[in-house]
Amino acid sequence: DAMVIQNPRYQVTQFGKPVTLSCSQTLNHNVMYWYQQKSSQAPKLLFHYYDKDFNNEADTPDNFQSRRPNTSFCFLDIRSPGLGDAAMYLCAAKQGLGTEAFFGQGTRLTVV
Amino acid sequence: AQTVTQSQPEMSVQEAETVTLSCTYDTSENNYYLFWYKQPPSRQMILVIRQEAYKQQNATENRFSVNFQKAAKSFSLKISDSQLGDTAMYFCAFTSGTYKYIFGTGTRLKVLA
Repeated sequence: DAMVIQNPRYQVTQFGKPVTLSCSQTLNHNVMYWYQQKSSQAPKLLFHYYDKDFNNEADTPDNFQSRRPNTSFCFLDIRSPGLGDAAMYLCAAKQGLGTEAFFGQGTRLTVV
Repeated sequence: AQTVTQSQPEMSVQEAETVTLSCTYDTSENNYYLFWYKQPPSRQMILVIRQEAYKQQNATENRFSVNFQKAAKSFSLKISDSQLGDTAMYFCAFTSGTYKYIFGTGTRLKVLA
């Protein structure tokens, strides 16, 4: 009964080689988030969508892009991964203001 | 700008004992929501408890309760009868009139057998 599913769980990519991380949700929630979490740190918000309205954080690097083709799916594209982009990437979904966010298990990205 | 501060990077507690995790926040908003999320090792983040700022009553979920002090902008989490499965990172989070969540830096809690 997984509600937010991230694929893959582990991703290894080469320095500079584009990579896409996927997230899907079965909750039909209108808000989706992408967070970057480095070891033992707080999740850092990269983007969020309210329906198809895209919100980019001011300090999200240009190297990161996102797509949300429909309510259920959201993608994180890293155009040219650097060593500093190695992290856990968390996807989350929620409905409405002030409500609980449901998180996926994350994708751990390694850059070699 | 809103901020969330967790001043305890690590804590430990004996099994069956009680532990309190601290969180303070800063906001000029009057209506907002506060959360505690738990992130077990290698597992997904899940909600522990939620508090609405306009409710004076402290939220409680089984062994988990909060001490919400709105004037002091403090939101601590009390875990009673600690269990080994409570071992995790705990994040305090804030959201108000937007869809953005702001997380604290987390407290790593270890429950000792």
